[in-house]
Amino acid sequence: DAGVTQSPTHLIKTRGQQVTLRCSPKSGHDTVSWYQQALGQGPQFIFQYYEEEERQRGNFPDRFSGHQFPNYSSELNVNALLLGDSALYLCASSSDLQETQYFGPGTRLLVL
Amino acid sequence: EDKVVQSPLSLVVHEGDTVTLNCSYEVTNFRSLLWYKQEKKAPTFLFMLTSSGIEKKSGRLSSILDKKELSSILNITATQTGDSAIYLCAVDDYKLSFGAGTTVTVRA
Repeated sequence: DAGVTQSPTHLIKTRGQQVTLRCSPKSGHDTVSWYQQALGQGPQFIFQYYEEEERQRGNFPDRFSGHQFPNYSSELNVNALLLGDSALYLCASSSDLQETQYFGPGTRLLVL
Repeated sequence: EDKVVQSPLSLVVHEGDTVTLNCSYEVTNFRSLLWYKQEKKAPTFLFMLTSSGIEKKSGRLSSILDKKELSSILNITATQTGDSAIYLCAVDDYKLSFGAGTTVTVRA
């Protein structure tokens, strides 16, 4: 049973560029949440997708957007990258029947 | 704004010691409290607590929730070097709000 997978594992971008991160949820899960974890901090909630709609959003600017596909996989897009966007981006999946969120290995983004 | 505070921020113990980690919270719509262990990247799920006073146990790890005091503790007994990690507390109020974590270092 495959767990949550994310790609790529590492990414280096320059300021002003755009990035797309990808996530495939655990089998049987239909809800995907994205988190940003800066060094030395706990993960911060970005948004959650369910039934291809953004269900809830944290305190992040509109530069952060996402999408969920019919197969429940999801993308996180960040436009106009800033140095402060450098972080570990974590995807977590869950289902409405079992609420516990399970995390993927993350994508480490470095913005230069 | 939702708030989750963990203490201590870090600690160093020797193998065989017992560790107690604390988590306190202020959230609007509490559904559950979760503990995760983070070693390199992905936080791995340890416990989910929804009811006050009920202890969840898994081997040497245990956790209990006090909804009256809005807090939880995570205990690790007979620590091993493999317990070295960041322990994250999160509260589910229809999204996960995390504390900053407690870094535990277990020395041989």
